[in-house]
Amino acid sequence: DAGVTQSPTHLIKTRGQQVTLRCSPKSGHDTVSWYQQALGQGPQFIFQYYEEEERQRGNFPDRFSGHQFPNYSSELNVNALLLGDSALYLCASSLAGFNSPLHFGNGTRLTVT
Amino acid sequence: ELKVEQNPLFLSMQEGKNYTIYCNYSTTSDRLYWYRQDPGKSLESLFVLLSNGAVKQEGRLMASLDTKARLSTLHITAAVHDLSATYFCAVEETSGSRLTFGEGTQLTVNP
Repeated sequence: DAGVTQSPTHLIKTRGQQVTLRCSPKSGHDTVSWYQQALGQGPQFIFQYYEEEERQRGNFPDRFSGHQFPNYSSELNVNALLLGDSALYLCASSLAGFNSPLHFGNGTRLTVT
Repeated sequence: ELKVEQNPLFLSMQEGKNYTIYCNYSTTSDRLYWYRQDPGKSLESLFVLLSNGAVKQEGRLMASLDTKARLSTLHITAAVHDLSATYFCAVEETSGSRLTFGEGTQLTVNP
């Protein structure tokens, strides 16, 4: 049973570029959340997707957008990258309506130069 | 706005000693999580605490939850080097909602 998978594992981009990160949820899960973890800090909630719609959003600018596909997989897009966007991006999945804990993927390490 | 505070932020222990990490949060919560994170790695789920008075134990780690005091503790018994990592508590305000994480406690266990 595959857990949460994220791709790519590492990425280097230049300031001003755009990036897309991908996440496949754990089998049977239908809700995907994205978190940003800057070095030395706790993860910060970006947004959550359920039924292909953004259900909740944290305090992140509109440069951060996402999408959920019919197979429950998800993408995180970041436009006009800033140096401060360098972080570990974590995807977590869960099953809505049940007391299921979040399952985190291994993350994508984004470096903006 | 929900706030989650952990202390201490840095903890250096001798092997064989006991210690407790504290997690305070500012509003009522449905669930509280403890995670472990090794350098450069993702989050490993340790405990999910669902109700007042909940206590869970796994090996040398024991977590408890006091919802009235809005306090959770992670107790380490007879620490070993393999426990060296960063430990996060995270609070889920309502079921299925976002997690708010503490700043993390960086634990180093010295031989």
